[in-house]
Amino acid sequence: GAGVSQSPRYKVAKRGQDVALRCDPISGHVSLFWYQQALGQGPEFLTYFQNEAQLDKSGLPSDRFFAERPEGSVSTLKIQRTQQEDSAVYLCASSLGGTLGEQYFGPGTRLTVT
Amino acid sequence: AQSVAQPEDQVNVAEGNPLTVKCTYSVSGNPYLFWYVQYPNRGLQFLLKYITGDNLVKGSYGFEAEFNKSQTSFHLKKPSALVSDSALYFCAVTHGGNYGQNFVFGPGTRLSVLP
Repeated sequence: GAGVSQSPRYKVAKRGQDVALRCDPISGHVSLFWYQQALGQGPEFLTYFQNEAQLDKSGLPSDRFFAERPEGSVSTLKIQRTQQEDSAVYLCASSLGGTLGEQYFGPGTRLTVT
Repeated sequence: AQSVAQPEDQVNVAEGNPLTVKCTYSVSGNPYLFWYVQYPNRGLQFLLKYITGDNLVKGSYGFEAEFNKSQTSFHLKKPSALVSDSALYFCAVTHGGNYGQNFVFGPGTRLSVLP
């Protein structure tokens, strides 16, 4: 079956632009995570959804970052007024079993802010 | 606050030899521990997890890990390494539930298995 998909796969934004990154989780997966992965580092947790509820957004680095999952399926991570330090790979993962379940990761969106 | 340490950036091992990739953690409450692997040009994949029960956990591709509460460690092991095991390995921890859903990954260890 289909895995987790993310779009776009690559995004180049000029500093100050707004971007929107999309995640399509595996159908039926209740849990959805967003991570930021800088080059050569491990993924850093951004936020967690259980269905449409955003239960943890403690990892969002600033109020320029916003995530939503309005119908409990597709999720969008929005970054306003992008800065160079936002350049990273943004990973989405979904899971059947909450935070203790196996996470299935998408391929990521590589964001480059120039 | 939770944290994960992977003290080795790189581990080199000869094919057929046993391998160990080290992980130590710090967490409030009960730890829930995971190993993920990232192959070149592929997404992160789940290997195994410890939630409760037997301290020795077996996972995909012949890997296993041992939870050691006194040493706060969760080292990944395999009895006989394959060249195809060469990849980037991440240890992760969460305490889930009432403490929040923050999921913390370590910095990663690059495993190279030499033929």
